[in-house]
Amino acid sequence: DAGVTQSPTHLIKTRGQQVTLRCSPKSGHDTVSWYQQALGQGPQFIFQYYEEEERQRGNFPDRFSGHQFPNYSSELNVNALLLGDSALYLCASSLRDRGHLQPQHFGDGTRLSIL
Amino acid sequence: DQQVKQNSPSLSVQEGRISILNCDYTNSMFDYFLWYKKYPAEGPTFLISISSIKDKNEDGRFTVFLNKSAKHLSLHIVPSQPGDSAVYFCAASDLTGYQKVTFGTGTKLQVIP
Repeated sequence: DAGVTQSPTHLIKTRGQQVTLRCSPKSGHDTVSWYQQALGQGPQFIFQYYEEEERQRGNFPDRFSGHQFPNYSSELNVNALLLGDSALYLCASSLRDRGHLQPQHFGDGTRLSIL
Repeated sequence: DQQVKQNSPSLSVQEGRISILNCDYTNSMFDYFLWYKKYPAEGPTFLISISSIKDKNEDGRFTVFLNKSAKHLSLHIVPSQPGDSAVYFCAASDLTGYQKVTFGTGTKLQVIP
């Protein structure tokens, strides 16, 4: 039973470029959330997707966008990259169980470095 | 505005003793709390949770205590083992069903053999 998988593992980009990160949720999960973890900080919520729609969003600019596909996998897109976007990007999946909160399962992340 | 705070960046404990990790929160809307453990180069792993209707939840060596009036929770690990050495994140959410989770900055626990 595969857990949450993310690709690529590492990525180097330059300022102004665009990047796409990918996530496959744990089998049976239907909800995907994305987090940014800067060095020495805890993960910060970017947004969450359920039924192919963005359901919740954290305090991130519109340069950060996403998508969820019918098979529940998800992409995170970041445009006009800034040096401050260098971070570990974590994907988490869970099963939406009405009225009951299920803990999220995390992937190992994509380390994004901006030069 | 750090709504979930872990004021101790690091903690060292002898093997076999108790580890106590603390967490404070400011948002009164939070009513579900979680602890995650993170090893280097891996994603966070869910450890234990507690809802606001309880003040204690236990799972093996791990116990989480919640003091709602003080907006404080703690994770106790007894007995501590070298394999417990990791970064521990406290996290909180409101029960809207949308699982927007707010994390603390983490406490690095080192268990000394």
